Amino acid sequence: DAKTTQPTSMDCAEGRAANLPCNHSTISGNEYVYWYRQIHSQGPQYIIHGLKNNETNEMASLIITEDRKSSTLILPHATLRDTAVYYCIVSGLIQGAQKLVFGQGTRLTINP
Amino acid sequence: EAQVTQNPRYLITVTGKKLTVTCSQNMNHEYMSWYRQDPGLGLRQIYYSMNVEVTDKGDVPEGYKVSRKEKRNFPLILESPSPNQTSLYFCASSILGGRGRSEQYFGPGTRLTVT
Repeated sequence: DAKTTQPTSMDCAEGRAANLPCNHSTISGNEYVYWYRQIHSQGPQYIIHGLKNNETNEMASLIITEDRKSSTLILPHATLRDTAVYYCIVSGLIQGAQKLVFGQGTRLTINP
Repeated sequence: EAQVTQNPRYLITVTGKKLTVTCSQNMNHEYMSWYRQDPGLGLRQIYYSMNVEVTDKGDVPEGYKVSRKEKRNFPLILESPSPNQTSLYFCASSILGGRGRSEQYFGPGTRLTVT
């Protein structure tokens, strides 16, 4: 699986858009980009995923560059409850299942 | 409510005393998995199961056993726990799907301390 690089930490003001970058320059053609987050020591929570097109759901937007070597997770109106560690994971499907390899992620702090 | 449950949530035990951490999901998912999380090491996969009676080792399986006799349950067994198995454990489940649509649902975690 391709390796990802994320900033260790980021800050964002409440109500503003939080933009979390991720580099995955060795991604292969059949690998997806997944984002999960972990609030304190709770179980990780799925946010969004994409292959090559930009994606949006009720939680966030995912922008993937045309060469697929990097992506950005956007939380459009960050709230204090969005303070968490965000993991960018690149993975293919093995027999239909994700092989999730978690790195250190980005610790996002939303400030009032 | 769709969920993954784990029991117990907290456990303190002594070296060598066999224990089982239960995991159950109510979403009829084929895939289930166990992870452990340690400071500085992130989440690492212990074992996974693609369906009933089908299990396989993850990245750190030593010292653990699993079974999958029913689709909804995937217990994690520590036959002889040691202090280096002190960790935060997560169970997860997902469908087996195409087009990347196999996001995993995680349980609330079990904090295990082995003295």
